[in-house]
Amino acid sequence: AQSVTQPDIHITVSEGASLELRCNYSYGATPYLFWYVQSPGQGLQLLLKYFSGDTLVQGIKGFEAEFKRSQSSFNLRKPSVHWSDAAEYFCAVGRSNDYKLSFGAGTTVTVRA
Amino acid sequence: NAGVTQTPKFRVLKTGQSMTLLCAQDMNHEYMYWYRQDPGMGLRLIHYSVGEGTTAKGEVPDGYNVSRLKKQNFLLGLESAAPSQTSVYFCASSRYSGRTADTQYFGPGTRLTVL
Repeated sequence: AQSVTQPDIHITVSEGASLELRCNYSYGATPYLFWYVQSPGQGLQLLLKYFSGDTLVQGIKGFEAEFKRSQSSFNLRKPSVHWSDAAEYFCAVGRSNDYKLSFGAGTTVTVRA
Repeated sequence: NAGVTQTPKFRVLKTGQSMTLLCAQDMNHEYMYWYRQDPGMGLRLIHYSVGEGTTAKGEVPDGYNVSRLKKQNFLLGLESAAPSQTSVYFCASSRYSGRTADTQYFGPGTRLTVL
């Protein structure tokens, strides 16, 4: 079975500062990795995904994530946060022989002026 | 192109009442999913479907039933609602990808309260 851990429940960051959200997974083979964002009262929107190839992937809204196999991690980063980035972020993991995804518990990001 | 839509957006039920949540997608996706979202628990899969006429249990299926009579629609039913089913329900869909994970596209959610 695979599991996904997002160690940080809540992060507060100043506008303009950098942001890093952590995601760790447990799965024996190469995982399929996703980051989703959920704005208040909205559904989930895909930010980026990793299936194979370059381990640094670029997404929408200026986000990027890096797959590190040795650390079983897929951390999300943004160099300079905007107030509109305040939201809840979910990491999700899939695998090559199953169409289902497992989601982490989420990290809520608050942006202060 | 509306993507994934959910009906209704909000609902309040009394314990023991029944209801059906409707999910519709216009992307011709093969796979569809129902999740519930509870604080601190992320999204948990209730049921899913890999094609018209097929359904399967997910992680937390008890108390729910589903049907996929048409490819574009996926219905989630609560036969006898309980307060523990108070949650936000999300529907998602994804394209055919063999037995491989792929991007799931989400609806806006249905907020259900059971009194």
